[in-house]
Amino acid sequence: NAGVTQTPKFQVLKTGQSMTLQCAQDMNHNSMYWYRQDPGMGLRLIYYSASEGTTDKGEVPNGYNVSRLNKREFSLRLESAAPSQTSVYFCASSGVYGYTFGSGTRLTVV
Amino acid sequence: GESVGLHLPTLSVQEGDNSIINCAYSNSASDYFIWYKQESGKGPQFIIDIRSNMDKRQGQRVTVLLNKTVKHLSLQIAATQPGDSAVYFCAEGGGVGGTSYGKLTFGQGTILTVHP
Repeated sequence: NAGVTQTPKFQVLKTGQSMTLQCAQDMNHNSMYWYRQDPGMGLRLIYYSASEGTTDKGEVPNGYNVSRLNKREFSLRLESAAPSQTSVYFCASSGVYGYTFGSGTRLTVV
Repeated sequence: GESVGLHLPTLSVQEGDNSIINCAYSNSASDYFIWYKQESGKGPQFIIDIRSNMDKRQGQRVTVLLNKTVKHLSLQIAATQPGDSAVYFCAEGGGVGGTSYGKLTFGQGTILTVHP
């Protein structure tokens, strides 16, 4: 099925460890996004990529880096994980006719 | 930024009733508004959207109303069913290049519970 695929679905990290969250879309969308969702809250934008080759900071970029590898893939990297980064991370992509979210990555930093 | 908290607004209705979920947005320059449904453990699912040049849009069992004067958005669900139970978020955004969807700012969310 067409859509946004995120890996992994679950991850536990120790404070200070690094990891990369992967995201790929097969809808030929130009724009891609990374959001985080904390308990009882709406999603907040971390970084986005309006088109291949460009990335920009969102509302809560500190502690994260991103790479728009190609039109399909947009990865999110935590260089040194902190407990405050415990959250559910959603990748999304958008085009003229739609805005689609992945199923999320639940990350716990201990 | 928006004020947020750990206690989401809740709405409880009986199966078959109509539900109205409200949202106040912050940016009068937003181009479009989207309602999402989120079930436990899943990503947001698109329900319906509306552009800023409209004040009403209807879908299947859902209607979105936009009042730009008071920056208010509502989602009406007709004949609510137990499967409609979820958290509902409104989101506002501006287009990339004027025609595509762009980055979104989400509201806090409302928990809808439908009792059989």
